[in-house]
Amino acid sequence: EVQLVESGGGLVQPGRSMKLSCAASGFTFSNYGMAWVRQAPTKGLEWVATISYDGSSTYYRDSVKGRFTISRDNAKSTLYLQMNSLRSEDTATYYCTRDGPTLERDYWGQGVMVTVSS
Amino acid sequence: DIVLTQSPALAVSLGQRATISCKTNQNVDYYGNSYMHWYQQKPGQQPKLLIYLASNLASGIPARFSGRGSGTDFTLTIDPVEADDTATYYCQQSRNLPWTFGGGTKLELK
Repeated sequence: EVQLVESGGGLVQPGRSMKLSCAASGFTFSNYGMAWVRQAPTKGLEWVATISYDGSSTYYRDSVKGRFTISRDNAKSTLYLQMNSLRSEDTATYYCTRDGPTLERDYWGQGVMVTVSS
Repeated sequence: DIVLTQSPALAVSLGQRATISCKTNQNVDYYGNSYMHWYQQKPGQQPKLLIYLASNLASGIPARFSGRGSGTDFTLTIDPVEADDTATYYCQQSRNLPWTFGGGTKLELK
């Protein structure tokens, strides 16, 4: 069974940093691209960043470029999102997702809440 | 960026058909495939993939769900609607980065 389990969220002050992790199991992690998708409270879904199966390619939405870094450790089957210079508008539930064959999000974690507030 | 537009809400009766639309401002077709996908999100839960490439049913999804469309116009149909289908439904394109989602359609029962 595919499982994606996020951790590392919580309350953080504006301008500070936070690192999210996503532990993957039930599939060969190193064969799949991965992505983070977020959802602000009561709002819709927003793609944040994506990484190729081997970590050689990464892409970000404009609003997080230069502040967020997506990475992976295939030996540990873990995906990461390093978030720096956090803003109030980054407050959201962050979901770890797996790439399907046509880049659909075929599996989602349960999500981790990040609240940016003083 | 490709913009996806969905109606905010839809109310249907149990046992009837629900049709949810998603319109894009750019063509999401590429080499004969439409890079449009549909998700269901129930309150307090993560989204779940229903349909990929506009019309392909994801694993474990009942045949009551179907999708169709191409180019810039897509629909998700649920027929017949069951009580458990009350949720918000999102479309998403993977034709071009940044991948974008529609604003979601909340399905309610009459």
